[in-house]
Amino acid sequence: DTAVSQTPKYLVTQMGNDKSIKCEQNLGHDTMYWYKQDSKKFLKIMFSYNNKELIINETVPNRFSPKSPDKAHLNLHINSLELGDSAVYFCASSLPPGGLYGNTIYFGEGSWLTVV
Amino acid sequence: GENVEQHPSTLSVQEGDSAVIKCTYSDSASNYFPWYKQELGKGPQLIIDIRSNVGEKKDQRIAVTLNKTAKHFSLHITETQPEDSAVYFCAVKQFYFGTGTSLTVIP
Repeated sequence: DTAVSQTPKYLVTQMGNDKSIKCEQNLGHDTMYWYKQDSKKFLKIMFSYNNKELIINETVPNRFSPKSPDKAHLNLHINSLELGDSAVYFCASSLPPGGLYGNTIYFGEGSWLTVV
Repeated sequence: GENVEQHPSTLSVQEGDSAVIKCTYSDSASNYFPWYKQELGKGPQLIIDIRSNVGEKKDQRIAVTLNKTAKHFSLHITETQPEDSAVYFCAVKQFYFGTGTSLTVIP
């Protein structure tokens, strides 16, 4: 059973298009994330939702919009795609942050987005 | 956010040797420091973590040390094997990741 699953795994699209990446987790976690990994392997958090509420929103263009229909799903919509959006996007989940110590983050397998 | 620096960015060792990766952070209130391993074509996976109430933690060939005063922590891999080859990330405050270290273990 895949704990964090995201689709599609590969996506090639033209500049200016709008695309979505879907994510689902079956771990029963309340917190979900989207990360972007660029060609240099830098892994940067984009968004985090806790029980469908946005708790982290790093400096991300507003062309990127996360949507959480329920706490097991966090989809990423990208409008007006640009060449610089080409990257691997990882969905992840965990128990809620905060408290005295943190919790393990479980990552999906990644979605390879190429904008041409 | 949190500023997390990780060194070195690439590391090559002979099989059987040790590998050490170091991270520094800026927020002295940080109290959770996990390490993740990312194999080619996969998402990162937790390999070990340490909380601020301990200075060292060991799990077989992997150990992590934490120096809260100096605000740095390190991953130590002993008796390296080819399957240890991967990209390793430190993290702070659960979700802020370091810049990654590409480890190659040469058979």
